[in-house]
Amino acid sequence: NAGVTQTPKFQVLKTGQSMTLQCAQDMNHEYMSWYRQDPGMGLRLIHYSVGAGITDQGEVPNGYNVSRSTTEDFPLRLLSAAPSQTSVYFCASKDRREGREQYFGPGTRLTVT
Amino acid sequence: GQQLNQSPQSMFIQEGEDVSMNCTSSSIFNTWLWYKQDPGEGPVLLIALYKAGELTSNGRLTAQFGITRKDSFLNISASIPSDVGIYFCAAGGTSYGKLTFGQGTILTVHP
Repeated sequence: NAGVTQTPKFQVLKTGQSMTLQCAQDMNHEYMSWYRQDPGMGLRLIHYSVGAGITDQGEVPNGYNVSRSTTEDFPLRLLSAAPSQTSVYFCASKDRREGREQYFGPGTRLTVT
Repeated sequence: GQQLNQSPQSMFIQEGEDVSMNCTSSSIFNTWLWYKQDPGEGPVLLIALYKAGELTSNGRLTAQFGITRKDSFLNISASIPSDVGIYFCAAGGTSYGKLTFGQGTILTVHP
């Protein structure tokens, strides 16, 4: 198993550009989520999905879109990047059974200039 | 929204010393988790706590779920250089799968 994979590992964008951060998992997990990590603020939940076709907003959803067409993939889209979106982004997945841990991907470091 | 207050923000210790960090909240949670993050990596689960008052160990690590369900602590005994990293507490409530994270404790261990 590869676990949770994320691409790209690093990305630099100009203000106003769009891009998609990719996340995939091969553990057949129903639950997937996106977090952003900023210095001194821990990880904050952006969007999450409890299964294919179902998504919902987390704590900081503004400026981000998600969709979940398959169990394996959960891409995060930035439609018009802003400097405030400079951060490290983590994708995580979890088995739907109660008490199962979330597995995190290696992260994508995004800089918006 | 719900917030976790994690302390201390950073620790500089000598190899062999014990470490203690904690997390508090004004909200009640059903699950408390402790994660460690190495540089350039995603967080990895160390200990999960599911019951108020529960005390759980994982090698040199011990964590407790506070009896009020509003706090948790993590102890590391006899620290070693590979303990270096950022430690996060995280808590889950009634919303399936959603976690709230603390700000993290940066641990530095001097040989």
